[in-house]
Amino acid sequence: NAGVTQTPKFRILKIGQSMTLQCAQDMNHNYMYWYRQDPGMGLKLIYYSVGAGITDKGEVPNGYNVSRSTTEDFPLRLELAAPSQTSVYFCASSPLREGTEAFFGQGTRLTVV
Amino acid sequence: AQSVTQPDIHITVSEGASLELRCNYSYGATPYLFWYVQSPGQGLQLLLKYFSGDTLVQGIKGFEAEFKRSQSSFNLRKPSVHWSDAAEYFCAVAPNTGTASKLTFGTGTRLQVTL
Repeated sequence: NAGVTQTPKFRILKIGQSMTLQCAQDMNHNYMYWYRQDPGMGLKLIYYSVGAGITDKGEVPNGYNVSRSTTEDFPLRLELAAPSQTSVYFCASSPLREGTEAFFGQGTRLTVV
Repeated sequence: AQSVTQPDIHITVSEGASLELRCNYSYGATPYLFWYVQSPGQGLQLLLKYFSGDTLVQGIKGFEAEFKRSQSSFNLRKPSVHWSDAAEYFCAVAPNTGTASKLTFGTGTRLQVTL
């Protein structure tokens, strides 16, 4: 059972570079999410998607972009990396039916220097 | 806007002792409630959840939580802590719209277990 798979696990970026964090789920879940985790701050929602072709902003969307062309994939794009984007990024997914929880990937640790 | 408060940043307990981690939430209606655990360098694992019904919910690894509507609380408990329970614990809420969407997390409580 793969569940939610994130790549890469670690990455160091220079200021101004761009990159895409990959997220794939094999559970046919409608909902997908991107969160960032900063020390002492818990997790905050960046973007989410309720299905292919539909995305919306979360609490902290500035500096990020997303797309959802398939049910399985939900990549997160950083266009101009800044030190403030140093964080651990988690992708999650959840099904449409009531009474179920979100399933999380293992995270991507990103450092911008 | 909803918010979640975990007042204890760090808790230390002895192995075999009981544990209670506090969680209070602010929300217009009764939300869906969750406790997740995160071991170092790992993702988040669901311990338990409350959607409706019995206010005392049982989870994995011997954990339980009690939803108290009057106190807007969802405290996590374990009767006897094991050294392997050392981790960070997050309380989270989601709108009660039918699915576990758009979680709002607390800032977490780091549990240390002494032998």
